[in-house]
Amino acid sequence: DTAVSQTPKYLVTQMGNDKSIKCEQNLGHDTMYWYKQDSKKFLKIMFSYNNKELIINETVPNRFSPKSPDKAHLNLHINSLELGDSAVYFCASSHLQGARAFFGQGTRLTVV
Amino acid sequence: QKEVEQDPGPLSVPEGAIVSLNCTYSNSAFQYFMWYRQYSRKGPELLMYTYSSGNKEDGRFTAQVDKSSKYISLFIRDSQPSDSATYLCAMKAAGNKLTFGGGTRVLVKP
Repeated sequence: DTAVSQTPKYLVTQMGNDKSIKCEQNLGHDTMYWYKQDSKKFLKIMFSYNNKELIINETVPNRFSPKSPDKAHLNLHINSLELGDSAVYFCASSHLQGARAFFGQGTRLTVV
Repeated sequence: QKEVEQDPGPLSVPEGAIVSLNCTYSNSAFQYFMWYRQYSRKGPELLMYTYSSGNKEDGRFTAQVDKSSKYISLFIRDSQPSDSATYLCAMKAAGNKLTFGGGTRVLVKP
C-alpha cells in the first residue's frame, strides 16, 4: 500500500497551459504539504494544510493554488505555466506538530 | 545565507567505509532534526529523527546533534553500494514547517 501517492508522475506541458497535480495519503495524518525541489535538489515548502485549512503559504506566485477537499487529499493547480516552474513537486503528510513527514514519489513537471 | 547549509558533495567512499555527513544551521529555534535519504527519481524517506542535542543510533546509522555549535551529523557505518543516494538534513522549530539542507550526494563504490 502506497502511503503518499501523487499523480501524475511525469508531466510535460507547454508554457501558458494550466495543469493539476493530485495527492492522496492513507496514513491518517491531518496535515499535508507541497514542496518544490529544484534542479539543485533544494527542497522548499510551498503550502501546508491542516484538516483542510491552509496553515502555511510561503512566498509562491498566486498562479499556484492548492486545494484540500478533505484531510486525506491535497491537490495543486498551476495556471499559466512558465519555464521556471519546471521542477519536481513533492506531496508530504504528517501529524500536526509532528516532525516525521512522509513524502510521495514526486511529480516531475517540465514546461517547454 | 541559507538557514541550513549542507555540502552538496559528491562524497565518494569505498564499500565498508564510514560515511560522515553534516549540516550547519543558523536558526537557534530549531528543535527537531532529521535525516532523509533520497534515491534518484524517488521521494525523500525519513532515516533518523532526533529531538534537541545528543546522539541516536539505529543499526548502521548514528545521528548527532550539537545545538551549542548549531551542527548536526549523520554517520553510516559499514557502507554498502545500496547506501548511494542523496542525504538531506531537515530541521523544524515549533510549527510544522520543515527546512531542508540542499542535500549531499553519496556514492559508495564496491
